[in-house]
Formats: sequence, C-alpha cells, structure tokens
Amino acid sequence: EVQLVESGGGLVQPGRSMKLSCAASGFTFSNYGMAWVRQAPTKGLEWVATISYDGSSTYYRDSVKGRFTISRDNAKSTLYLQMNSLRSEDTATYYCTREGLETLDYWGQGVMVTVSS
Amino acid sequence: DIVLTQSPALAVSLGQRATISCRASQSVSISRYNLMHWYQQKPGQQPKLLIYRASNLASGIPARFSGSGSGTDFTLTINPVQADDIATYYCQQSRESPPTFGGGTKLELK
Repeated sequence: EVQLVESGGGLVQPGRSMKLSCAASGFTFSNYGMAWVRQAPTKGLEWVATISYDGSSTYYRDSVKGRFTISRDNAKSTLYLQMNSLRSEDTATYYCTREGLETLDYWGQGVMVTVSS
Repeated sequence: DIVLTQSPALAVSLGQRATISCRASQSVSISRYNLMHWYQQKPGQQPKLLIYRASNLASGIPARFSGSGSGTDFTLTINPVQADDIATYYCQQSRESPPTFGGGTKLELK
C-alpha cells in the first residue's frame, strides 16, 4: 500500500524558515517524480514544486522561486521542502504527492503550515 | 498558465446523475491523450484521484464515476449519486507546466 506521511509543519513567524518532510513507503520511491501541492484555508489546490525521480530536475511556481527548495533522499525514501523567507500567503496545508499516470496519483494526509506573528 | 474553470457548486438528489464540467483556457490534449484529471476531496481529507487522462478510472474507484471530453471541455459524471459522494471535485491539467487546478465544484444535496 502506498503511503506518504508528511511532518514538520506548525506555526512560524514571517520571514523565518521551515522544512517539511514526507516519508514514502509501499513503492519504489526512486522510480517516481514527486511534488508538493498546497491548499490555503477554505481555498483550492495549488501546485508548489516538482522534483524528478533522481533529483536532477526541479520546478517551482513563480511565487516560491528563490525561497523554496524541493529535494529528496532516495536512500531514505524521503521528500523534503525547505521553505525560507516565509510569508503570510504561504499559510496552507501542504500535501506530498506522487507523480504517476501523468498526474498526481497518491497524496499524503497533509501538514499545516501557519505563517503568523 | 492554463486556467481551468469550474462552477462553484452543484445541487443533486441522491440516486440522480451529477454532471460536473471543467473548461480549459486552451487545449489540454496532445494527439490522442487528453491530459485532464479529476480528484475528489472530502472535508478534512486529502484529495483522491478519481479519473486520469479524461476518461480512465483510477484504481479502486467505483464504476458510477466516469469522465469524458477532449480539447478544452471536460465532464465528470457520477451516476447514480450516493451519500458518500458529497465532496468537492477538482479538475487538473498536466498538458503544460505549471500544472493547474480548477477552483473546485462542491457537490451538495438538493
């Protein structure tokens, strides 16, 4: 069974940093691209970043470029999202997702990030 | 970016057919592949993939869900609607980067 379990969220002040992790199991992690998608409270879904299966390619939405870094450790089957210079508009539930079937075929339960002073 | 437009809400009676539409600002089809996908999200839960490439049922999804469409116009059909189907439904395109989502259609009981 595919499982994606996020951790590392919480309350953080504007301008500070936070790192999210996603532990994957139930599939061969190193064979799949992975992505982070977020959802602000009561809002819709918004893609944040994608990383290729081997980590050689990364892609970001414009609003997080230069502030967020997606990375992975295939030996540990873990995906990361380093978030720097956080803003109030980054407040959201962040979902770890697997790329499959040319879309996002599995999602974690999500982790809440609140940026507030 | 490709903009996906959905109606915000749809009211339906149990046992009836629900048709949820999604319109893209430009074609999301390449050759015979229609790169539009559908997700279901219940309150407090993560989204779940229902339909991929416009008309393919994801693993474990009941056959009362179906998808159709090509180019810029796509439809998710639920027939018959059951109580467990009350949720918000999102379309998403993977034709171009960045991948984008529709605003979601909240399925409500009439």
